[in-house]
Amino acid sequence: QKEVEQDPGPLSVPEGAIVSLNCTYSNSAFQYFMWYRQYSRKGPELLMYTYSSGNKEDGRFTAQVDKSSKYISLFIRDSQPSDSATYLCAGIKAAGNKLTFGGGTRVLVKP
Amino acid sequence: DVKVTQSSRYLVKRTGEKVFLECVQDMDHENMFWYRQDPGLGLRLIYFSYDVKMKEKGDIPEGYSVSREKKERFSLILESASTNQTSMYLCASLPTSTDTQYFGPGTRLTVL
Repeated sequence: QKEVEQDPGPLSVPEGAIVSLNCTYSNSAFQYFMWYRQYSRKGPELLMYTYSSGNKEDGRFTAQVDKSSKYISLFIRDSQPSDSATYLCAGIKAAGNKLTFGGGTRVLVKP
Repeated sequence: DVKVTQSSRYLVKRTGEKVFLECVQDMDHENMFWYRQDPGLGLRLIYFSYDVKMKEKGDIPEGYSVSREKKERFSLILESASTNQTSMYLCASLPTSTDTQYFGPGTRLTVL
């Protein structure tokens, strides 16, 4: 079993809709969680970074962590065609610097 | 802005060739990482380094080696390239004071 699981998609939504992305993880030692966005043929770029359970908001993006169920989510409001990309979630243990990534979810926002 | 650069965007090599992939970061970060990314498998850690001349194996080190002679440069070496090493290779760096990694643009390697 992979330590971080994501549905590979593609997830197709109309422009303006809310995009809802989810990951589950199995390693209880993960303390920090990241969401990366990766455009085709580019390296991943950090979108959101959360620690502990709860919500974190940044503009159109909201990240949620539920450590009791080992579930992390990313919501994108008012989605735009430029949000079309692959979204990667990752977990990291507090004591180390190794990120463990999910496989990524491909998102398509149609105008 | 943190900048992580990789020596080539696209590379085509033949089976058995020795391949060098170079990564350079300009922010004096202690930690550097090499990942490969494959469809359906996500990002997998090959090697990482937390200081000059130090290296640690990641999840899939077989067939690879690394070199970190200077803080800003981390090289990935394929001693004898094989077709199953065809992949996108991503370098990342981060300072010790934070857990957020900064990625380079990637090198798409094809081994024929």
